[in-house]
Amino acid sequence: NAGVTQTPKFRVLKTGQSMTLLCAQDMNHEYMYWYRQDPGMGLRLIHYSVGEGTTAKGEVPDGYNVSRLKKQNFLLGLESAAPSQTSVYFCASAGFFQETQYFGPGTRLLVL
Amino acid sequence: AQTVTQSQPEMSVQEAETVTLSCTYDTSESDYYLFWYKQPPSRQMILVIRQEAYKQQNATENRFSVNFQKAAKSFSLKISDSQLGDAAMYFCAYRRPEGFGNEKLTFGTGTRLTIIP
Repeated sequence: NAGVTQTPKFRVLKTGQSMTLLCAQDMNHEYMYWYRQDPGMGLRLIHYSVGEGTTAKGEVPDGYNVSRLKKQNFLLGLESAAPSQTSVYFCASAGFFQETQYFGPGTRLLVL
Repeated sequence: AQTVTQSQPEMSVQEAETVTLSCTYDTSESDYYLFWYKQPPSRQMILVIRQEAYKQQNATENRFSVNFQKAAKSFSLKISDSQLGDAAMYFCAYRRPEGFGNEKLTFGTGTRLTIIP
């Protein structure tokens, strides 16, 4: 049972480039989340999804888009990367009526 | 909006001793959930313990226990018999109850715990 996995683990981008981060979970969870972690600021919610085909904005959604075409996958896209998006990105999932979120191992993104 | 405050950026403890990490939160809700997550150098976020606000009994998981003071909006984590593997960043987190359509976690800024051999 892999739990929550994230691809890639590390990526370097140049300003203006685009990329997609993939999150996959094998626990049949309804809820999925994307957070970013910056030094001294804890984790902040970017976007989330309460089910297949649904997405919603979190605290810091600007510059990101998401899609949830399949229940097990949640994609985070950066259309035009900026240095301010240098961060560690975490995906999490949770089941319906389950209070606990389970996190992936994180993706470290460096935008030059 | 809910806020979570961890006022201790860093803490250290001698191996085998006990340490308490502090967390306070602000909410107008009466029912909610509180969590402590551990983040070791591997960066993996690991759930340590959780507490339901409607439960008066403090949660315990082996060497980890909490002191939940609902009226004071305080949720501290006590680690007994500290081990080298406990060295990590610890995050306190709050979650609203079901039914609001946004069951996100609100995190504190973390406390870095160092274990002294």
